This record gives sequence, C-alpha cells and structure tokens, in this order.
Amino acid sequence: GVTQSPTHLIKTRGQQVTLRCSSQSGHNTVSWYQQALGQGPQFIFQYYREEENGRGNFPPRFSGLQFPNDSSELNVNALELDDSALYLCASSFGTDNNEQFFGPGTRLTVL
Amino acid sequence: GQSLEQPSEVTAVEGAIVQINCTYQTSGFYGLSWYQQHDGGAPTFLSYNALDGLEETGRFSSFLSRSDSYGYLLLQELQMKDSASYFCAVRDNTGGFKTIFGAGTRLFVKA
Repeated sequence: GVTQSPTHLIKTRGQQVTLRCSSQSGHNTVSWYQQALGQGPQFIFQYYREEENGRGNFPPRFSGLQFPNDSSELNVNALELDDSALYLCASSFGTDNNEQFFGPGTRLTVL
Repeated sequence: GQSLEQPSEVTAVEGAIVQINCTYQTSGFYGLSWYQQHDGGAPTFLSYNALDGLEETGRFSSFLSRSDSYGYLLLQELQMKDSASYFCAVRDNTGGFKTIFGAGTRLFVKA
C-alpha cells in the first residue's frame, strides 16, 4: 500500500518541512492533497514519471519531487499557521488516476 | 474555476437506502469519483463514472448525468460501519491534470 512519513510533525512559523510518501508498487503517478479538519482534500499537485503535470491553487512555496523508486516528497517553505492540516499522498497508475490509493497522511501542526 | 456541491450531512437508519447528490462545475470534466473516509482514516475509492448512467459495485451504486453536471452515490442496506464522510471528486484536465474534491457529506447511520 501507500505509506507516508512522518505520522505527525510540529513546526514553527517560517520553518521548512519535507513530507515523504512511498507509492504502491507499480504506480507511476502521485498526487498530494491538503485536508483541513472537516473539509475535503484540496489538490496541491500531481507528478507523473517525475514531472509535475498538474497543479492546484497553491503558492510556489509548495513544491514536490517524485523519484524513480516509487517515492515522492512534498516540500513546504516559509510555513504559515494556515498550513496546519493533514497532508495526504495518493498514488495511481497512469495520468487519469480515477482510482487513487491514499496513504494515511501526515498531520502537520504549525505553531 | 471548478466547484462541487454536496449536502453536508445525511442521517439514515440501518438497513435503509440513502442517496448522496453531487453537482459540479468544471471546464474540463473527465469523470466523477466517489471516496469514503472514516474519522482518522484515509480516503478509500468507491466508484467512478466517466459516462452517463449507473455503475453498481455491491451495495454501492453511482450515477452520472453529464448534461446536468450531476451525479449521486446510492448506498443500499445501510450498515453502522457505513457511517463516514463521502466525497465526490471530479477529474479536470484543463491546464494540467487535477482532481477536485467536494467538501464531503457526513453520513450518520442510526440503529
């Protein structure tokens, strides 16, 4: 399945954070989402074969990487209080990703 | 831009049938998906419709009308374990690949 690390993370405003995801074996597409409490997941971006090929309404301080070994990263610079949320990665095969497999998420708290 | 509307809460009794509606507005519609999320858990894929009509998967069915920009998820023979949040999500390929989630419908199943 899809795994994410760390499970929980506490940072202070202005810091930088890197969240990691390991996709399901064989999946070549990974998407990252931000989910605030009581809300639906908000699409951050999608990577396909190590290239970003879709992006939601998030500022450039949200960036990502996808590696050939089914792993990926979400980097957030200059953390703000509103970045506190659950961050989910989801993997799928192909760019259509109609069926996405989600990881358990990383709970980020920014103080 | 893209937007989805779904009811915030639905309550039903065990054994009943419940329908969760979703209307969407998007410029590059490519399909409608449904996900289930239990408290503290990750979203799990339920069904997907790219074409008009009904898709059935066990107790769950999903319907799409592209001309009405409308879909619904039908849950039959409700069980207590079906108490969860349900999200509709649209696939939009305008300016890159995106998956846009609704705010979610909280389903409460009563005995």
